[in-house]
Amino acid sequence: GAVVSQHPSWVICKSGTSVKIECRSLDFQATTMFWYRQFPKQSLMLMATSNEGSKATYEQGVEKDKFLINHASLTLSTLTVTSAHPEDSSFYICSACPTGNQPQHFGDGTRLSIL
Amino acid sequence: GESVGLHLPTLSVQEGDNSIINCAYSNSASDYFIWYKQESGKGPQFIIDIRSNMDKRQGQRVTVLLNKTVKHLSLQIAATQPGDSAVYFCADLSWGYSTLTFGKGTMLLVSP
Repeated sequence: GAVVSQHPSWVICKSGTSVKIECRSLDFQATTMFWYRQFPKQSLMLMATSNEGSKATYEQGVEKDKFLINHASLTLSTLTVTSAHPEDSSFYICSACPTGNQPQHFGDGTRLSIL
Repeated sequence: GESVGLHLPTLSVQEGDNSIINCAYSNSASDYFIWYKQESGKGPQFIIDIRSNMDKRQGQRVTVLLNKTVKHLSLQIAATQPGDSAVYFCADLSWGYSTLTFGKGTMLLVSP
């Protein structure tokens, strides 16, 4: 149980393109989901907390207009990287908690490559 | 966990050896700790967790030790197998907060 699915798993786009990444909780409802960014050989850095039905909470230094988050249902959160540039190339990972007393379960990530 | 560095510490072991991966955390208010395993190109996978009212917890082939006095966490893997090769992250969280703080990670390489 507690499966989190991300789509797409890998995307290659030209600079200036906007890219949408989906994060779904497959067998549970998640009022809160989390979006992380990970560079090669580094740890996960929290970008934002996605809240169902309300605005996302962004970490310091993360541009909310650059990384648009929408959490329209209890099983889906989306991250849109707007006007992506090569420096946005990274591994983006989402997670969700089945309940407040359980650890976060992670999706398998989306590798974004901007040419 | 502590702040991220640019170089991933690596632990190389032989198959069958016991492995110990260490982690330091900085938030003295943290009361929940998790170890995750991340294989190449995948998201982190939950291994084991421990709450601050415990100092040891055992799972299948894994044991987590918590020393709150020195803010140190360790993961012990018994009879390490090639399939255990991955990057291991500790993460901590304080009561009332939902956001995890990840450690820098350790790459475990298991040779047959």
